[in-house]
Order: sequence, then structure tokens, then C-alpha cells
Amino acid sequence: EAQVTQNPRYLITVTGKKLTVTCSQNMNHEYMSWYRQDPGLGLRQIYYSMNVEVTDKGDVPEGYKVSRKEKRNFPLILESPSPNQTSLYFCASWGNYGYTFGSGTRLTVV
Amino acid sequence: GENVEQHPSTLSVQEGDSAVIKCTYSDSASNYFPWYKQELGKRPQLIIDIRSNVGEKKDQRIAVTLNKTAKHFSLHITETQPEDSAVYFCAVLNNYGQNFVFGPGTRLSVLP
Repeated sequence: EAQVTQNPRYLITVTGKKLTVTCSQNMNHEYMSWYRQDPGLGLRQIYYSMNVEVTDKGDVPEGYKVSRKEKRNFPLILESPSPNQTSLYFCASWGNYGYTFGSGTRLTVV
Repeated sequence: GENVEQHPSTLSVQEGDSAVIKCTYSDSASNYFPWYKQELGKRPQLIIDIRSNVGEKKDQRIAVTLNKTAKHFSLHITETQPEDSAVYFCAVLNNYGQNFVFGPGTRLSVLP
């Protein structure tokens, strides 16, 4: 089954403790992206990647890092999380039928 | 950069009535306009899309219309059903890359 797999689904962490949210797709898509979703603000793009080793900032990249060492994986890294990064995060990959989204990661930073 | 506005932010309709959600955008180079539906606690899913060379597209009870001159596009849902209740997002993609911009969303409630 074609899918985007995100882990973990839920995460509670403390300020400053580095964390990684993993994202993997099995559709051989070149383009992948990370979004955060906050009430009233919709989906805002954090980073995107047009291919292996090619990444670029979206609209809200501050406080985040990404890497794209292989086509299927696109992890999101928070080096020093802060409470304002508490949000719902979605990974997505782009193919012939538009975006396929992962199931989301609800992150709480205390 | 691209600015996408979406109206209304909330919409309540009676079952069987029609619902219309409108999005406006600012970048005239934008050429792809999808609509996503997000049910409570779930991921957004593509329901219909339109490209800039087409003025209207229909899929059963759902249609999208595009006015490139005025830079707006709309989602039309006819004969609404309770399962249409969700948050709907429009999005815009431009020619320069694949930097999607989403609208802020519309919460549609279909009342039985």
C-alpha cells in the first residue's frame, strides 16, 4: 500500500531536549515536505526537499532542521525544542495524485 | 511570497443544501489549485484539484471553479451529507517550485 509513515504519533518532551520525527514514503517520490498545523493558521510549510541532498526552507523554518540522505526518508529534527513548537506536524510526499500526508505527530514541548 | 485567503472560516448548512468555499491568491504565476478535506483527528486528503488551463472540474457532488483573471477559485459541494462535515483547505502551487501554500481552512458542519 502506498503510504507515508510518520513516527511517533504522539510525543511529549521538555524544552531543550533534541528530538527527531521520522518520515518515510514507499512511492519513490522525489518531493517531500514537512508542515505544522496550528488552530486558525492552517498548514504552514517548514521545509521541503525536491530530491536527495536538496532541501529548502518553507515559510516557518526557524528552530527546525531536515536531512534527505536517501529518497524515501525525510526526518525532521528539533535541536532545542521550545514550547512554541508545540503543534501537530505532518510529513507529505508529492506524486502524480498530489500530496500524500502521513498520519501526523502531535508534539508537546513543556 | 504567495498569500492565500479562504472564506468563510466556518460554515453551517442543512443536509441536502449546497456549500461554497472561496479562496483568493496573490501570485499570478500560480498554476495548480487543490482542495483537501481533513476529518477530525485525521490527515488531510485530496478531494479535487484544478490546473490553470481549465475553468471548472467536477467529480460527482464536488466541483471546483477557477477564475485566473480575478485570482480566485471555489469549492462547491452539492446535496451535502453529514459525512461532508470536516475542515477544508485550499492550496496554491506556483510555477517556480513546489512550495505549496495552504489557506487557513474552513470548518464545514452539515446539520441533519
